[in-house]
Amino acid sequence: GAVVSQHPSWVICKSGTSVKIECRSLDFQATTMFWYRQFPKQSLMLMATSNEGSKATYEQGVEKDKFLINHASLTLSTLTVTSAHPEDSSFYICSAISRDPYEQYFGPGTRLTVT
Amino acid sequence: KQEVTQIPAALSVPEGENLVLNCSFTDSAIYNLQWFRQDPGKGLTSLLLIQSSQREQTSGRLNASLDKSSGRSTLYIAASQPGDSATYLCAGGLFGNEKLTFGTGTRLTIIP
Repeated sequence: GAVVSQHPSWVICKSGTSVKIECRSLDFQATTMFWYRQFPKQSLMLMATSNEGSKATYEQGVEKDKFLINHASLTLSTLTVTSAHPEDSSFYICSAISRDPYEQYFGPGTRLTVT
Repeated sequence: KQEVTQIPAALSVPEGENLVLNCSFTDSAIYNLQWFRQDPGKGLTSLLLIQSSQREQTSGRLNASLDKSSGRSTLYIAASQPGDSATYLCAGGLFGNEKLTFGTGTRLTIIP
């Protein structure tokens, strides 16, 4: 099946710094990718829709200036957590839409810890 | 707005038993319903995808059904094994919208 990768798989950063997470579709092109956040023992919550060549669409309550999304190519979307705080510590998962056949593939996730 | 619920939140069964996990959704205009498993600290593994025109999908010991009229999907696991222990998530997408709404998950433990 199609593969979606994320880098890094885990990252620790200090409060106030920024961290970038990459999401790549390895064997298909994805005009649409999604970014989710998952807190411990909770389900996935959609943060934003990443559209290649246009601005991301954010879900209600998600700060677009804090979570910067750039979908620069058909195989890469990046999520930058700016001025990170301990409450941003979470598991971030991306997914990518394959059009033919249609299916949504998920990355392995990135665990972010802000100290 | 689609809401997806999974009950129970946790389930323990002895090895070898058959079991059913439940998923309920509020909007019957569902485009597809997908079942995933998630191991602790890991990402999602897609198990089965059911399109709105389908009633069920099967893969090995797994069978998933979709009943749009009642707003329910079930995941049937036959002859459970300790390796089946994981959290199982269902997620639904609506027509014209590729976003998936995830359920709350069922944490399954198979007792050897």
